[in-house]
Amino acid sequence: GAGVSQSPSNKVTEKGKDVELRCDPISGHTALYWYRQRLGQGLEFLIYFQGNSAPDKSGLPSDRFSAERTGESVSTLTIQRTQQEDSAVYLCASSPTGGNGYTFGSGTRLTVV
Amino acid sequence: EDQVTQSPEALRLQEGESSSLNCSYTVSGLRGLFWYRQDPGKGPEFLFTLYSAGEEKEKERLKATLTKKESFLHITAPKPEDSATYLCAVQGRDFNKFYFGSGTKLNVKP
Repeated sequence: GAGVSQSPSNKVTEKGKDVELRCDPISGHTALYWYRQRLGQGLEFLIYFQGNSAPDKSGLPSDRFSAERTGESVSTLTIQRTQQEDSAVYLCASSPTGGNGYTFGSGTRLTVV
Repeated sequence: EDQVTQSPEALRLQEGESSSLNCSYTVSGLRGLFWYRQDPGKGPEFLFTLYSAGEEKEKERLKATLTKKESFLHITAPKPEDSATYLCAVQGRDFNKFYFGSGTKLNVKP
């Protein structure tokens, strides 16, 4: 597609429920990042995918968080047993090769009530 | 530990009033420093990449400069449409990670 697409754009969930966030990167982009942005704060690195290499999961804050990506296509970020502190905007970004300016999606605003 | 600090947190300017945003960083082996613009409800939009001290990049009313410790984003004669949050990020030896600052929220009044 023309840009990075994320869905849903907004998600309200009850504490303790699982949520799945989706990212469609730009076609042909091998590198993909997930970031979390809490209100008024900078972007917090979560996970990085580059082609078929093992992902860098070092930014995932707990074992409730997981992410998958099949090849160079769609990625999903799953948060299990959501907590109120998980409320944030989750941003996905992709790049043709990694290490350069990334194209970000508009994010998914997650609210845990 | 690699980190990025941006100042000020917020900046209000009158249209035409030039100013600068600061991004101070500590990083092991700088690979690149990146500036992004973020509008409300949207993802960050890439503006510039700077790779080495002394480098400068320009785009319309924006000019980014880099030293060994900080970067400045100079805004010349800003317009209301320049209002946004400006984010700075650095990439160090760990190729996979970009460290972002908290941003400067710029408001340009007509």
